[in-house]
Amino acid sequence: EPEVTQTPSHQVTQMGQEVILRCVPISNHLYFYWYRQILGQKVEFLVSFYNNEISEKSEIFDDQFSVERPDGSNFTLKIRSTKLEDSAMYFCASATNTEAFFGQGTRLTVV
Amino acid sequence: KNQVEQSPQSLIILEGKNCTLQCNYTVSPFSNLRWYKQDTGRGPVSLTIMTFSENTKSNGRYTATLDADTKQSSLHITASQLSDSASYICVVSDYKLSFGAGTTVTVRA
Repeated sequence: EPEVTQTPSHQVTQMGQEVILRCVPISNHLYFYWYRQILGQKVEFLVSFYNNEISEKSEIFDDQFSVERPDGSNFTLKIRSTKLEDSAMYFCASATNTEAFFGQGTRLTVV
Repeated sequence: KNQVEQSPQSLIILEGKNCTLQCNYTVSPFSNLRWYKQDTGRGPVSLTIMTFSENTKSNGRYTATLDADTKQSSLHITASQLSDSASYICVVSDYKLSFGAGTTVTVRA
């Protein structure tokens, strides 16, 4: 089965630091997403990316967040100045029109 | 605002028993509906995906139904096993994926 790979699996960072979460989506997919899940809560949409640009973003995705597909394969989520409330599991998803696959997630802990 | 509502929030069943999870949605336009299984600390894994023209889809002991007129879906788990203990998430797609809050299923021996 196709696989979406996320790295690192767990990241601990100090408040105010920048973090970059990395995702390798499935090669022939066109749509890419970032979601987050705060412990004990539902999965929340952050941003969708299509044709090398953001197609939609949620209220959560403020100026502290950015996404890039720097080399046509990796898909990154950057948080410029982390806050305690950014602690969550961050999931990358890679999709076609009919199917979406999720990575195993990166657990971000902001201390 | 498009929403996906799941019920119950959680349930406990004995090994070998059946259970049914519900999903109601207001997402429009509708492209497809997916059920995912999410084990604790891991990413969601697809169980079924249905378009508006499909009424039922099975994947082993998992059977999903869809009524696009009433905007309701269900996921039926037959002869539950301990490994079925997980969160089950209903995801409805127009272009963006809209997630339900999930139903946490606990299967006990």
